[in-house]
Amino acid sequence: GENVEQHPSTLSVQEGDSAVIKCTYSDSASNYFPWYKQELGKRPQLIIDIRSNVGEKKDQRIAVTLNKTAKHFSLHITETQPEDSAVYFCAASFGGGYQKVTFGTGTKLQVIP
Amino acid sequence: GAGVSQTPSNKVTEKGKYVELRCDPISGHTALYWYRQSLGQGPEFLIYFQGTGAADDSGLPNDRFFAVRPEGSVSTLKIQRTERGDSAMYLCASSPRLATNNEQFFGPGTRLTVL
Repeated sequence: GENVEQHPSTLSVQEGDSAVIKCTYSDSASNYFPWYKQELGKRPQLIIDIRSNVGEKKDQRIAVTLNKTAKHFSLHITETQPEDSAVYFCAASFGGGYQKVTFGTGTKLQVIP
Repeated sequence: GAGVSQTPSNKVTEKGKYVELRCDPISGHTALYWYRQSLGQGPEFLIYFQGTGAADDSGLPNDRFFAVRPEGSVSTLKIQRTERGDSAMYLCASSPRLATNNEQFFGPGTRLTVL
């Protein structure tokens, strides 16, 4: 089955700096890669996703890149703000996300004001 | 509209007891997922429904776990003979399963504690 690894497990950045979280996946058939943000005590919420036919996707301060050959994808947050502090999970799925979704272990991001 | 809801929000039970966890998906969402999340970990897939049928139950850890969705809307996760290791947050998510939108919307979860 699919295995998703995520690094780093914790990340501290100064407000205004960039943050990068990296994930690798094992199943070359995976074709949908969502990223979720989970604030303390709250439910995970989708912040951005990317499909395998696209190499990069941006949404304001957030961008995701995908390298299918290397089977890795990354989340980039620019101009970080204190409200970006949360746990971020990457995930991978086959079937465009309709099927089983395998999550990474999470990255706890702390943005220091 | 209303989001995904789960009841109860907290459930404390004794080892060996039976528990049922309920999920009400967003109206019209045909896909429903159950996950288990332990502290400091990502959500772990348990089972996925498309309509009334379980399309993929490969994540259920053993035969003590069972889930149903008899009318294609509300789902119940059932755990028999609970063990301390079953303690976790149980998350439900639903998705519209559209070609242009397969975002999973999560519920607030049920925190299960087995004493």
